[in-house]
Amino acid sequence: GQQLNQSPQSMFIQEGEDVSMNCTSSSIFNTWLWYKQDPGEGPVLLIALYKAGELTSNGRLTAQFGITRKDSFLNISASIPSDVGIYFCAGQRGTGGFKTIFGAGTRLFVKA
Amino acid sequence: DVKVTQSSRYLVKRTGEKVFLECVQDMDHENMFWYRQDPGLGLRLIYFSYDVKMKEKGDIPEGYSVSREKKERFSLILESASTNQTSMYLCASEQAGNQPQHFGDGTRLSIL
Repeated sequence: GQQLNQSPQSMFIQEGEDVSMNCTSSSIFNTWLWYKQDPGEGPVLLIALYKAGELTSNGRLTAQFGITRKDSFLNISASIPSDVGIYFCAGQRGTGGFKTIFGAGTRLFVKA
Repeated sequence: DVKVTQSSRYLVKRTGEKVFLECVQDMDHENMFWYRQDPGLGLRLIYFSYDVKMKEKGDIPEGYSVSREKKERFSLILESASTNQTSMYLCASEQAGNQPQHFGDGTRLSIL
């Protein structure tokens, strides 16, 4: 079936460093989504991307919808301890959530 | 803001019990979902519903059933709980038409 390859699986970084993670697929998506999940909580939507090439920021977070529609990346600048958590990408192929595919997640650890 | 509320954050049940997990959303969303989340396996779709009284199997429906009698409420039922159903369960809802899913805080279920 369809898969999203999200990398890296985990990252250990120092506070203040920039972070980059990405998702790739062999399939085309119409929408890319990025979520963050804090320990013991549900995922929270960070950024939604709807057009190929779109670059969107949310505070220190920046995400881009790849031109080929098969990939997306998320950057976090100047990381802080509360950035710790699991970051998920998700791709949507069309209308209806049953066409949403989630990546396996990138677990981020930030050392103060 | 979208609010997706799961009835319990933590639940402990015994093998063979019938278990009900409840989820309510307050944004009149058409689509609702149940996922389970296990370490290393990401989010796996159990069932989803795109309308009242409608349900569709996801990737891992075995051992589960669902009920959607009202638009705002989507229930997950473990007919006869087993230890391999110990997991984090996440409910999500979504406005139809290529919109992002919004998640509840999750229910951490332990089957003893």
